[in-house]
Amino acid sequence: EVQLVESGGGLVQPGGSLRLSCAASGFTFSNDEMNWVRQAPGKGLEWISYISSSGDTTYYADSVKGRFTISRDDAKNSLFLQMNILRAEDTAVYYCARGWRYGTQWGQGTLVTVSS
Amino acid sequence: EIVMTQSPATLSVSPGERATLSCRASQSVSSNLVWYQQKPGQAPRLLIYGASTRATGIPARFSGSGSGTEFTLAISSLQSEDFAVYYCQQYYNWPPWTFGQGTKVEIK
Repeated sequence: EVQLVESGGGLVQPGGSLRLSCAASGFTFSNDEMNWVRQAPGKGLEWISYISSSGDTTYYADSVKGRFTISRDDAKNSLFLQMNILRAEDTAVYYCARGWRYGTQWGQGTLVTVSS
Repeated sequence: EIVMTQSPATLSVSPGERATLSCRASQSVSSNLVWYQQKPGQAPRLLIYGASTRATGIPARFSGSGSGTEFTLAISSLQSEDFAVYYCQQYYNWPPWTFGQGTKVEIK
């Protein structure tokens, strides 16, 4: 069974940093592209970042470019999102999603709250 | 960036009735469209890809149609577990994935 489990969310002050993790199991992680998608409270879905299976290609939404960094560790079957210079508008549930052009499987998400 | 617009925002339907949800793209996305279902407190679940192909394990009461700029998700006979928010997403021109704002299907 495919499982994606996010962790690392929490309360952080504006300007602070946080690192999210997504532990994958049930499939060959190293073969798959991965993404992060977020959802602000009561709002819709927003794609924020992609990483290729090899890790050498990454993309970011304009809203996070220059502040967030996606990475992966295939030896640990893990996906990461380093989030710096956090703003109130980054408050959301962050999901990792398996897939290239759309999310075939999603984790349950981890809540990030940016507030003083 | 391609903008996706869903209608209506909320759809009130009685159990057993048919529901029809619409999604429009600001420019042609061919058949590069998916539908997701999201229940409260849960992650999105892939329902339809390629505009009309059901994902693994999705019941036959869910059907997708359309191409170009106009798409429809139909649920033929609503079950209690189908009341949720539904999102469309294009993947013709990415990045980014772009989503519609969602349609909430609620019990009438």
